[in-house]
Amino acid sequence: SQQGEEDPQALSIQEGENATMNCSYKTSINNLQWYRQNSGRGLVHLILIRSNEREKHSGRLRVTLDTSKKSSSLLITASRAADTASYFCATGLKAAGNKLTFGGGTRVLVKP
Amino acid sequence: DTGVSQDPRHKITKRGQNVTFRCDPISEHNRLYWYRQTLGQGPEFLTYFQNEAQLEKSRLLSDRFSAERPKGSFSTLEIQRTEQGDSAMYLCASSLGSGADTQYFGPGTRLTVL
Repeated sequence: SQQGEEDPQALSIQEGENATMNCSYKTSINNLQWYRQNSGRGLVHLILIRSNEREKHSGRLRVTLDTSKKSSSLLITASRAADTASYFCATGLKAAGNKLTFGGGTRVLVKP
Repeated sequence: DTGVSQDPRHKITKRGQNVTFRCDPISEHNRLYWYRQTLGQGPEFLTYFQNEAQLEKSRLLSDRFSAERPKGSFSTLEIQRTEQGDSAMYLCASSLGSGADTQYFGPGTRLTVL
């Protein structure tokens, strides 16, 4: 079963705009990871944020984590057509071997 | 390329046949995970290994599924007596473990059961 929900399920934006997607989860976590998946391909790791962190940046990506609300957001700034993909959040818990529990994903279309 | 490889990339089989997939993790990674992903859904955990020990199996892993990781290196996932419901992408991931939590995924094996 999925850990939580991602919102929105789909997002269509113009190149150059920012894309924001949200992830909610249900149980305690040690870390939350964001992945990108191009159609029919494997998952590419984007960023990991630990439960004691509130915000992290990597290039054009910004991730926030609010453990009190059990939610995270991923912001992609100045989007490019190459950012078109599905984005998944996944939570990990050390006591459970850090197996990842994924959300349903947000499908992002960046139009040139 | 994450450094995790999977073979084959695609497998088409008839219902009732057995199939085996292989995953080669990043060489120094001692944790190896298997996930299954159906169309339009996020991946779901199947099982994981710490070195050669299989430490957890999901309830999704019926008796027809078996996974091994001999010598703590590559891993195989076998599905016996395949059913149409087994059609999915099977993903392998590895991590260093010991607090290094990032999991690196392979390209996946897409299984189609006719």
